[in-house]
Amino acid sequence: DSGVTQTPKHLITATGQRVTLRCSPRSGDLSVYWYQQSLDQGLQFLIQYYNGEERAKGNILERFSAQQFPDLHSELNLSSLELGDSALYFCASSPAVNQPQHFGDGTRLSIL
Amino acid sequence: KNEVEQSPQNLTAQEGEFITINCSYSVGISALHWLQQHPGGGIVSLFMLSSGKKKHGRLIATINIQEKHSSLHITASHPRDSAVYICAVRDYGQNFVFGPGTRLSVLP
Repeated sequence: DSGVTQTPKHLITATGQRVTLRCSPRSGDLSVYWYQQSLDQGLQFLIQYYNGEERAKGNILERFSAQQFPDLHSELNLSSLELGDSALYFCASSPAVNQPQHFGDGTRLSIL
Repeated sequence: KNEVEQSPQNLTAQEGEFITINCSYSVGISALHWLQQHPGGGIVSLFMLSSGKKKHGRLIATINIQEKHSSLHITASHPRDSAVYICAVRDYGQNFVFGPGTRLSVLP
């Protein structure tokens, strides 16, 4: 058990919809990372937060947004969903900015 | 050309064999990560390196910054080591770039 909790584990929705994925970091970790893993593009870095502030941005689409709340949990919002957004979404956390990360089990998003 | 390349793409070994997985990258980096992804999908961070060599149990990771190359070694391999091993680099823009992964199967 990594200590990182992601909910829900599975999500099935339709094109055009909006969903929210939630991540609770390991106790004491201030930094949260979001990643997308699709069959055709592998793992991609989306965004990183540190203590509530955006720290780094990767290949995150404009339809996607994220935030980290004062209690350090984070949410990834995906809107105007397309078939190509079907993927595994991982959250990871680390104590500070550039330290080894602990990964959650992922949320599997399926767009029908 | 991908910014992060791994070799081999697939690897089958017999239990007990010494295994090496290679990672080459083309950008300047602040750190390199080795990840293990199990068949069920879960990801474990094995190492984070910025120079030299690290060892954890039967796993050893090395990095040569000048040659932009890293290796992951597994000594006395075991079937439970069967997984996909992914190399990832963090560039100076704080972006993470992932390699395509190496699928390892260790046969008993």
